[in-house]
Amino acid sequence: AQSVTQLGSHVSVSEGALVLLRCNYSSSVPPYLFWYVQYPNQGLQLLLKYTSAATLVKGINGFEAEFKKSETSFHLTKPSAHMSDAAEYFCAVSGSGANSKLTFGKGITLSVRP
Amino acid sequence: NAGVMQNPRHLVRRRGQEARLRCSPMKGHSHVYWYRQLPEEGLKFMVYLQKENIIDESGMPKERFSAEFPKEGPSILRIQQVVRGDSAAYFCASSPPANNNEQFFGPGTRLTVL
Repeated sequence: AQSVTQLGSHVSVSEGALVLLRCNYSSSVPPYLFWYVQYPNQGLQLLLKYTSAATLVKGINGFEAEFKKSETSFHLTKPSAHMSDAAEYFCAVSGSGANSKLTFGKGITLSVRP
Repeated sequence: NAGVMQNPRHLVRRRGQEARLRCSPMKGHSHVYWYRQLPEEGLKFMVYLQKENIIDESGMPKERFSAEFPKEGPSILRIQQVVRGDSAAYFCASSPPANNNEQFFGPGTRLTVL
């Protein structure tokens, strides 16, 4: 069984500040991990993914995440927030093959203050 | 290369009617996943299909819901005798056969049951 925990439902940062969105996972098999972003009334866009290669993963729009097996974490960071980063962010875990369904966390809404 | 297409984007049904949601995967993708996003519940997996086969339907409600992905044509998620609790956003995602760990999402169908 797999699960994802995203603590808190809302994070607010100032424009230019560090963005840190936390994600912890549980998986009985080697996990594939993902961060998706969702803008209002739109579908999900893949930001980045971990698939057992490098533990530090770089994604689009300046985001990156680090896989830490010992902490079962996959936190998302961005050095400097931009107004356009305001959206909802979902962390997800999957297995492979027939177990490739995504299990999502509850999501975190990121607000960026001018 | 067009992305994942879903139609209709918005669907309004009265209680007891049927809802049919269609999903056309990206070109070359033979794997389709359906997810449902309910307010306050986040994104939940429903079903995973390959052409003419259901691989994992562990997230599908036992009654009224069915899904298919025929050899030709789009994938269909069918909800019979809709109830108000079926109101949600339904997202389809597709992935290529060689890498079913990266799923590309459509814009979703927002179902409202009156």
